Amino acid sequence: AQTVTQSQPEMSVQEAETVTLSCTYDTSENNYYLFWYKQPPSRQMILVIRQEAYKQQNATENRFSVNFQKAAKSFSLKISDSQLGDTAMYFCAYPPNTGNQFYFGTGTSLTVIP
Amino acid sequence: KAGVTQTPRYLIKTRGQQVTLSCSPISGHRSVSWYQQTPGQGLQFLFEYFSETQRNKGNFPGRFSGRQFSNSRSEMNVSTLELGDSALYLCASSVGTGLSGNTIYFGEGSWLTVV
Repeated sequence: AQTVTQSQPEMSVQEAETVTLSCTYDTSENNYYLFWYKQPPSRQMILVIRQEAYKQQNATENRFSVNFQKAAKSFSLKISDSQLGDTAMYFCAYPPNTGNQFYFGTGTSLTVIP
Repeated sequence: KAGVTQTPRYLIKTRGQQVTLSCSPISGHRSVSWYQQTPGQGLQFLFEYFSETQRNKGNFPGRFSGRQFSNSRSEMNVSTLELGDSALYLCASSVGTGLSGNTIYFGEGSWLTVV
């Protein structure tokens, strides 16, 4: 069964500091994609970053980067220079190679403190 | 380009009633999927439609149904509403399906409260 686990229900970080959110997943597939989505108080899910398992290079999008460890099935999100607008729920997500049925973790609530 | 549009945004229904939620995908997107979000169960996949055909279905009772029209717009219906159906219903669209790596883009959701 495909599962996604986020073990940090809540985290906080000082503005301008760096924070890392953890995610582990389970799959028997060799090539796949992983995603991080952000859900601010408005509740709209916004894509943050995605990673292809086949690529060894970690994905980066501006202040957001991932640490992808395929063997360990770990996919953490690093947010650098945290901003107040980063306050949100962050979900790690994995879609098996059968369509757009995404499995989401339980989320990490991140608060950026001014 | 307009994003995913969901209507209505908020609604209150009584137990036993039925409800229909609508989703218009991003222009050019042919896949529409639906998710239910609750504090207790988190984000759960309901179903996915592509080219008017249901491709996948999550573990929900038959009271939950959906359809997709030729213009890719989708509706989901919940019949005989129960209190536990109170949730945020999220629609997501994607260009295609069947291949890993499709990014899904979400709408703002429809808040359903069952009283």
